[in-house]
Amino acid sequence: DTVLTQSPALAVSPGERVTISCRASESVSTGMHWYQQKPGQQPKLLIYGASNLESGVPARFSGSGSGTDFTLTIDPVEADDTATYFCQQSWNDPYTFGAGTKLELK
Amino acid sequence: QVQLKESGPGLVQPSQTLSLTCTVSGFSLTSYSVHWVRQHSGKSLEWMGRMWSDGDTSYNSAFTSRLSISRDTSKSQVFLKMNSLQTEDTGTYYCARSAEGPYYWYFDFWGPGTMVTVSS
Repeated sequence: DTVLTQSPALAVSPGERVTISCRASESVSTGMHWYQQKPGQQPKLLIYGASNLESGVPARFSGSGSGTDFTLTIDPVEADDTATYFCQQSWNDPYTFGAGTKLELK
Repeated sequence: QVQLKESGPGLVQPSQTLSLTCTVSGFSLTSYSVHWVRQHSGKSLEWMGRMWSDGDTSYNSAFTSRLSISRDTSKSQVFLKMNSLQTEDTGTYYCARSAEGPYYWYFDFWGPGTMVTVSS
């Protein structure tokens, strides 16, 4: 299975720029997507195809990468961005998720 | 608008079978795939399987031997059945719709999830 590795947690101040990384154990081309999950809620799609912003998602969110290394950037971070962020690949079967990066605001 | 909603028993006894229903609205099951994804408490997400728009199914090999996904297009419902449940199957179960990109797909809408506890 394709393993997706994310850093477990980050803490930033509002207004700062934050990058969340996701490394795949094998190439997933651009079949990488990012979701935001707040406590007690379902995941919400932010970025699909590595760099495409989902409709209705603020332009503060952006994604980049291809192959095995991917990044989700939030610039500037707002208080409402406190959440866990998951990457997910749909290039290799079975489709897998990263363990999530918990973003906290200082 | 697009909506998905899971339903099923909150409590299942060990070794028994879990049956969940995903009821969708705002789109047709013959145009979009619907997936089942589970999440252990506070932990990562695990893709379980998929009902394709043409009625075919795909499963994560980790579940193949005990998982079955079916649908009733007339009722806009997708079903999950998983047997031989153990305590480690406790978690929140989501159904999600997938949208297609040029060479990939992604989950664009999710249900709110249903919590399942496996305990005697």
